[in-house]
Amino acid sequence: DADVTQTPRNRITKTGKRIMLECSQTKGHDRMYWYRQDPGLGLRLIYYSFDVKDINKGEISDGYSVSRQAQAKFSLSLESAIPNQTALYFCATSDFAGNTIYFGEGSWLTVV
Amino acid sequence: GQQVMQIPQYQHVQEGEDFTTYCNSSTTLSNIQWYKQRPGGHPVFLIQLVKSGEVKKQKRLTFQFGEAKKNSSLHITATQTTDVGTYFCAVGNSGYALNFGKGTSLLVTP
Repeated sequence: DADVTQTPRNRITKTGKRIMLECSQTKGHDRMYWYRQDPGLGLRLIYYSFDVKDINKGEISDGYSVSRQAQAKFSLSLESAIPNQTALYFCATSDFAGNTIYFGEGSWLTVV
Repeated sequence: GQQVMQIPQYQHVQEGEDFTTYCNSSTTLSNIQWYKQRPGGHPVFLIQLVKSGEVKKQKRLTFQFGEAKKNSSLHITATQTTDVGTYFCAVGNSGYALNFGKGTSLLVTP
C-alpha cells in the first residue's frame, strides 16, 4: 500500500462546482503539502501544514482552501472550480526536518 | 521562500550520451534536494546535498553542490532509456516548505 494516498485519482467536474481532493498518509509525518503541476511550470506549492493546528499559504493559494483534519489527513478544496484549475495535484508529506518529501500518486482534475 | 532557476527545460539525447541539468539561485542555499519524476508518475526523492562543494554519486548519477552553495548540478553518464523523466531540484529552509525548480525533461532515444 502507498504511504501517501490521494482520492480521487481522476475527476472531471464542471465550472462552478465544489470539489475536494483528499489525502491520507501512513508515515506518521507532521508536515503535509499540496502541490499543483502544470506542463512547463513545474511543481507549485498551494498550501502546507506543519502540524494539525498549522496552515500556511503557498505560492498559488488563491481559489483553494485546505483542512487538516488529523495528523494523517489533509484535504484540498476548490470552492468554485474554474477551467484554469485543470491540473495534476500532488499531496506530499515530510518529517519535522523536511529532509525528504514523499509524494502521493497524484490526482488529475479536469474542469470543463 | 527561496527560488531556483533550472536549466535546460528540455534535453533530448541519444542513448549512451551524457546529460547534465543545473539549478541556480541568487541566494545562498542551506541545502538542495533532487527528485526524479518518471512519465505518468510522481516525484521521487534522489538525494540531498548540504555541504559546500559536496559531490555525491549514485551509480551513473553525480550530484554537485557549488562552493558558494548557490548552484547545483546533476550529471548522468552514459544515459539509458530508463533515465527518461523530469528531474527537479528543490530548495527551502527547515522552517519553510520546499520550492521546486521547473524541472528538466530528459528524453533518451535508443
